[in-house]
Amino acid sequence: NAGVTQTPKFQVLKTGQSMTLQCAQDMNHNSMYWYRQDPGMGLRLIYYSASEGTTDKGEVPNGYNVSRLNKREFSLRLESAAPSQTSVYFCASKGQGFSGNTIYFGEGSWLTVV
Amino acid sequence: TQLLEQSPQFLSIQEGENLTVYCNSSSVFSSLQWYRQEPGEGPVLLVTVVTGGEVKKLKRLTFQFGDARKDSSLHITAAQPGDTGLYLCAGASGGSYIPTFGRGTSLIVHP
Repeated sequence: NAGVTQTPKFQVLKTGQSMTLQCAQDMNHNSMYWYRQDPGMGLRLIYYSASEGTTDKGEVPNGYNVSRLNKREFSLRLESAAPSQTSVYFCASKGQGFSGNTIYFGEGSWLTVV
Repeated sequence: TQLLEQSPQFLSIQEGENLTVYCNSSSVFSSLQWYRQEPGEGPVLLVTVVTGGEVKKLKRLTFQFGDARKDSSLHITAAQPGDTGLYLCAGASGGSYIPTFGRGTSLIVHP
């Protein structure tokens, strides 16, 4: 039972390098999200996608771009990584309708920018 | 931005003790959720409350949604080491479900 799958699990980048975090869900969910989690800051929304073909900025979008490649996949790209982007990144997805308001999270991607 | 304040931020207790975690906001939410996160994993949903005054129980965990739908509490009875983790509340309102998360309460239960 895969659910939400993120890759890579761990990554170390040098300042200025670029990388893409991949996320895929197999639950046929419309909505997908990218969060970052920092100590004492909780989960902060970077970008979300309410449906295939749409993306919107969240609370902390600066320095990131996203692509909703298809219904299953939602990728997060760091074009020029900065130390402030050192964090744990979580992808999540949600089904349709009020009764489907359970958000399912991936296991996280630990990113260190040096 | 709707803010959710969780308290306490940290809690370290002995097995068998009771505890309550609070989640407060000045905003009204159409639904509020509680998640539990273990180290190295993503958060997992425990419960969703949607009606003001609603009380839900999940074994030794009791969740309450405030009458005005601005606050919630999580009470754990006779805590066990397996309850150790980060507890997050998340509230949402409006048609587009974009939840706002609190900063979390880190709970450690010592054997």
